[in-house]
Amino acid sequence: KAGVTQTPRYLIKTRGQQVTLSCSPISGHRSVSWYQQTPGQGLQFLFEYFSETQRNKGNFPGRFSGRQFSNSRSEMNVSTLELGDSALYLCASTRGNLRDRESGANVLTFGAGSRLTVL
Amino acid sequence: GENVEQHPSTLSVQEGDSAVIKCTYSDSASNYFPWYKQELGKRPQLIIDIRSNVGEKKDQRIAVTLNKTAKHFSLHITETQPEDSAVYFCAAAGGTSYGKLTFGQGTILTVHP
Repeated sequence: KAGVTQTPRYLIKTRGQQVTLSCSPISGHRSVSWYQQTPGQGLQFLFEYFSETQRNKGNFPGRFSGRQFSNSRSEMNVSTLELGDSALYLCASTRGNLRDRESGANVLTFGAGSRLTVL
Repeated sequence: GENVEQHPSTLSVQEGDSAVIKCTYSDSASNYFPWYKQELGKRPQLIIDIRSNVGEKKDQRIAVTLNKTAKHFSLHITETQPEDSAVYFCAAAGGTSYGKLTFGQGTILTVHP
């Protein structure tokens, strides 16, 4: 069973540019969440998508956006990049249904991440 | 919103010793508490989790305890080995949250041979 796949793995951008990151969840997983990991702030939740709808959102500016497609693949976009956006962006998938959550089967599996450097 | 505090930030032990990492959370509605291990340059991987209807859970050398009244939970690693060296993160989730975890700041565990 393939794991969570993120592309690209590494990218370098300059301030003011925009970037799109992609995440393919584990087959059968309908929930995709995105996290930003930095040395100073740790792991911070960006947003979660389930069945093409944003279900939860963290405290990030509107420059950070995402979407999910009918095949559960998700993309996140960061516009007008700032130096502080340099980070490892991780996505995680889970089945995301209520029955799994109540039975304890709703475990998040992370991808390897996309490391973004903003110059 | 939820806030998770994790201590200590660094922990150094000798091989064979035990290691304990503690976390506190603020939202009494939180009901799921996973622990992730992240080795250098790799993705976070779930090592153990516990739900609010359970006080303790054990998996070989790893155990987690939960005190709902005090809103804290702890990770215990016994008979530590050099390959246990990594960053450990606790997290909390609750209510209608599925993919939203609030993480602690992480603990860098170093096990010296």
